[in-house]
Amino acid sequence: QTVVTQEPSLTVSPGGTVTLTCASSTGAVTSGYYPNWIQQKPGQAPRALIYSTSQKHSWTPARFSGSLTGGKAALTLSGVQPEDEAEYYCLLYYGGAHVFGTGTKVTVL
Amino acid sequence: EVQLVESGGGLVKPGGSLRLSCAASGFTFSNAWMSWVRQAPGKGLEWVGRIKSKTDGGTTDYAAPVKGRFTISRDDSKNTLYLQMNSLKIEDTAVYYCTTTFNTWGQGTLVTVSS
Repeated sequence: QTVVTQEPSLTVSPGGTVTLTCASSTGAVTSGYYPNWIQQKPGQAPRALIYSTSQKHSWTPARFSGSLTGGKAALTLSGVQPEDEAEYYCLLYYGGAHVFGTGTKVTVL
Repeated sequence: EVQLVESGGGLVKPGGSLRLSCAASGFTFSNAWMSWVRQAPGKGLEWVGRIKSKTDGGTTDYAAPVKGRFTISRDDSKNTLYLQMNSLKIEDTAVYYCTTTFNTWGQGTLVTVSS
């Protein structure tokens, strides 16, 4: 069974920068896994942020960026705002099946 | 405005069945690949399955825990996506979301499997 692993939790100060990563149990994450990043706040539906590694939706704030680094997918939040406090999930495509990451709880403190 | 609205959730006994619906509007539903995603209480997101557009074959794929029990279908004439859930287990208890290739999400519908 494929497992996609993320940091359980990260804390960042307002205005700071934080990077979340997404690792696959099958090996290095490449663009062929079409990494997506999804944000979810308590009591709300998920909201898409990034698709195909680094592509932003029209509603994605400029401070969010996606990349590949060290064999993982990464989501960087630069100039963090209090409203960025949320759970973040990566999503990888395995040729017919999709697997969500374990999720990262980002706290802005 | 692109919108997805799920319905059909509720309380069902173990071994029972339920059909969820997802009404789509604001985009060309017939061209869209659609997925169902669920979230158990206090847990993370879990991909359930996906159906391609009919022009791309209309085929389906499912996550291992639901394969053989759940069936995804679509009615393009009604702009509606369905999830037929049979042989339900307690561990199927979750909020079920429909999504257009993870770009747009509905608000979800709660399915509770309990005796």
